[in-house]
Parts: sequence; C-alpha cells; structure tokens
Amino acid sequence: DAKTTQPNSMESNEEEPVHLPCNHSTISGTDYIHWYRQLPSQGPEYVIHGLTSNVNNRMASLAIAEDRKSSTLILHRATLRDAAVYYCILRDVGDYKLSFGAGTTVTVRA
Amino acid sequence: GAVVSQHPSWVICKSGTSVKIECRSLDFQATTMFWYRQFPKQSLMLMATSNEGSKATYEQGVEKDKFLINHASLTLSTLTVTSAHPEDSSFYICSASPADYLRGSGANVLTFGAGSRLTVL
Repeated sequence: DAKTTQPNSMESNEEEPVHLPCNHSTISGTDYIHWYRQLPSQGPEYVIHGLTSNVNNRMASLAIAEDRKSSTLILHRATLRDAAVYYCILRDVGDYKLSFGAGTTVTVRA
Repeated sequence: GAVVSQHPSWVICKSGTSVKIECRSLDFQATTMFWYRQFPKQSLMLMATSNEGSKATYEQGVEKDKFLINHASLTLSTLTVTSAHPEDSSFYICSASPADYLRGSGANVLTFGAGSRLTVL
C-alpha cells in the first residue's frame, strides 16, 4: 500500500478556511486520493476523492499537485461541526482494505 | 445517498457472554461488507470482510471463532463477539459500498455505519 503523511493536528477559527495537507510521494498512477473524516464517537464519513484534477463538492475541495505527490483538502469555512479526524487515504483498483493512518485532528475554535 | 445502519449503538455486557452487532445497508444491496475495530485514541483496523452467501475473510491476527460473521442477505451482516472479555471492549464499525468494492474502480467509496461501542465488564 502506498502511504500518506499528514500533520497530527491543526487548529482553525470558525468561519475561516482550513487547508489540510497530505503527502503521498510513492503514489502510483492509478491510485485515487480519498479523504474521510471521523467525528467524535462516529463512524468515518466520506468527504471527497480525486485522481488528477482538482475536485469540488458541497463539503470541501481537493487540490492535487501536478506531480500527484501531495494534495490538500480545503474546508472553505470551518464550522464547529467540522471538528474531526481527517484521513487521507490512497486507493487503487482492487484495494479493499482502506488503510487508516493517524489522520489529522482538526480543532475549530468558536 | 447510501446509508449504512448499525445496531446497537452501544452495549454493555458481562464477561463471558456473547454480543451480536447488526449492520444493514438501507438503500442499496451489498455483496460485501467490512468490519473494523477501533480502540481508544487509535485508528481503525480492518477485522474482516463479510461476503454474502459465503464465509467471511478475516485479517491476520483476528480470531474467526471469537468474532463470528454472518452475511445472510444482501442488506444484512452480523458480527457476534463470542465469550466477550474486557479486552474486547472497543468501537466496532461496519462499512459497505453499492459498487463492487473488491474488484471495482479505485474511485469507489465506502459508507460507514455510526459504530457500536462495546463495553465488557
């Protein structure tokens, strides 16, 4: 499995953007970049995924570097409800075992 | 969107008893479901892959006789923790996908249940 590296924690103020980096220098050409988040005492929740191009959805944006060795999850306006552990995971066809690392714990200050 | 429901959300039992946790896909059929375990302050670890109509596939180090998995229908998988002991206390989470997650595209995503917190006294 290709591995990802994320900062352990990040803090943000409410209503401000949050940029969560993820390094994946050994990514293969067919690895998709997935982001899930886990709110306290909940199961993980899908956030966004992409392959090469930047992606936007109602929850967040995913910016992927041109060489694909890093990516950034962008929460445009953090709310208290966005406080969670965010996991950056690489997944290739046939990968059924999502490898959850330690993730980044996001704290949002009111 | 795809919804996965788990029941119960929390359970307390005495040591030596068995506990069953249900995982249902509410609006889609899932030939494959996944069971994860998460200890406090740790990340999720895959325990087993539940296959409808066949035996589950367990990850290395997971005792199949202790964690019984039954996937009797396309919308229901159950995990039974047999003869539970305090060290089995954990957060158990199931997941599933409407798509063929085992063989499909790397773009396919998983939907997770809300989790079941087991406390064994």
